[in-house]
Amino acid sequence: GAVVSQHPSWVICKSGTSVKIECRSLDFQATTMFWYRQFPKQSLMLMATSNEGSKATYEQGVEKDKFLINHASLTLSTLTVTSAHPEDSSFYICSARDTRTGGQTQYFGPGTRLLVL
Amino acid sequence: QKEVEQNSGPLSVPEGAIASLNCTYSDRGSQSFFWYRQYSGKSPELIMSIYSNGDKEDGRFTAQLNKASQYVSLLIRDSQPSDSATYLCAVNMIESNFGNEKLTFGTGTRLTIIP
Repeated sequence: GAVVSQHPSWVICKSGTSVKIECRSLDFQATTMFWYRQFPKQSLMLMATSNEGSKATYEQGVEKDKFLINHASLTLSTLTVTSAHPEDSSFYICSARDTRTGGQTQYFGPGTRLLVL
Repeated sequence: QKEVEQNSGPLSVPEGAIASLNCTYSDRGSQSFFWYRQYSGKSPELIMSIYSNGDKEDGRFTAQLNKASQYVSLLIRDSQPSDSATYLCAVNMIESNFGNEKLTFGTGTRLTIIP
């Protein structure tokens, strides 16, 4: 149980294009999902908290107009990197909390590696 | 700034020995604590969660929590080469401005098990 998937697993795009990443909880419902970014040899940095049916909460320094988050259902959240630039190249990882248990444990997806040329 | 601190390592342990990983946190009000394992190039994988003072054992892993000292640790018994990874300590903290709960991660300890 508690499986989270992400798609795509990796993407290469040209500078200026937009990239959408999907995060799905496969066997549980997730009212809350989280989006993280990890640069090489650094720890996870929370970008935003995604709440089903409401606006995402962004961390300080994260541009909400650049990183669009949609959490339209209890099993799906999407992150769109708009007008991507080389400095956006990173490992993007989502996580989800199991709504049924009400616990604080976050289960992570496998991550999406983004390379912007 | 609410923080979680770990020794970045690298920590080298002979195969079969006990690996000890430590973590301190700044928010005295934190109630939930987690250890994740992250292999190079992969996403974090949950190993243990702990909520009460004392020890919690799961197979070869034991998490220890001391809220008075704001300290949480992870012991790995009978270390195996497959345990070589970065171990992330995560603490659930409540953001003071909006009351949101979120995990704050340490920078991780890189563990190498030497055959």
